[in-house]
Amino acid sequence: GQQVMQIPQYQHVQEGEDFTTYCNSSTTLSNIQWYKQRPGGHPVFLIQLVKSGEVKKQKRLTFQFGEAKKNSSLHITATQTTDVGTYFCAARNYGQNFVFGPGTRLSVLP
Amino acid sequence: GAVVSQHPSRVICKSGTSVKIECRSLDFQATTMFWYRQFPKQSLMLMATSNEGSKATYEQGVEKDKFLINHASLTLSTLTVTSAHPEDSSFYICSASRPGSNQPQHFGDGTRLSIL
Repeated sequence: GQQVMQIPQYQHVQEGEDFTTYCNSSTTLSNIQWYKQRPGGHPVFLIQLVKSGEVKKQKRLTFQFGEAKKNSSLHITATQTTDVGTYFCAARNYGQNFVFGPGTRLSVLP
Repeated sequence: GAVVSQHPSRVICKSGTSVKIECRSLDFQATTMFWYRQFPKQSLMLMATSNEGSKATYEQGVEKDKFLINHASLTLSTLTVTSAHPEDSSFYICSASRPGSNQPQHFGDGTRLSIL
């Protein structure tokens, strides 16, 4: 079946530093979604990528979908303490359900 | 924005008890809802896909008779953990999305189930 991997598992950064998490799939994807889960909270949808090579930005967050549609990345510029949480990618094969990656837990030290 | 309500948020009960968890989409009709289980500091594990008016689709390894799902209306899906045991203790979370294949999932606040 489809496997979705995310690296790193954990990331500790100093406030102001950049952060990147990578999502990789064993199969070609139809689309990919990114979610953020704050400690004690539920996942919240951030963005969806559909096109090969697509890049989308949300303020300090930059999302990219690989050319082969097998990987994606989320980059945060100049992290803030409000960025703390676990970032999940959810990858979807054509006609199938989304599969969530294991997540990257981000800690931001003030 | 879309809102999904999940109730109860926390349940503590004795072993052998059956527990029902409700998931409601408050401002849109959801033909499909999803039920996940999340262990501490781990990812979301899809348990089943709840389809309005038809049987739920369970993921491999999830016991249908243990985790009963009913999706009787376009705004309500329920998950019943039957004869719960301590190993069923976990965080259960539902999600719903608007009709369409590329819609985002909107999650409920989750239910923390503790079986004594």
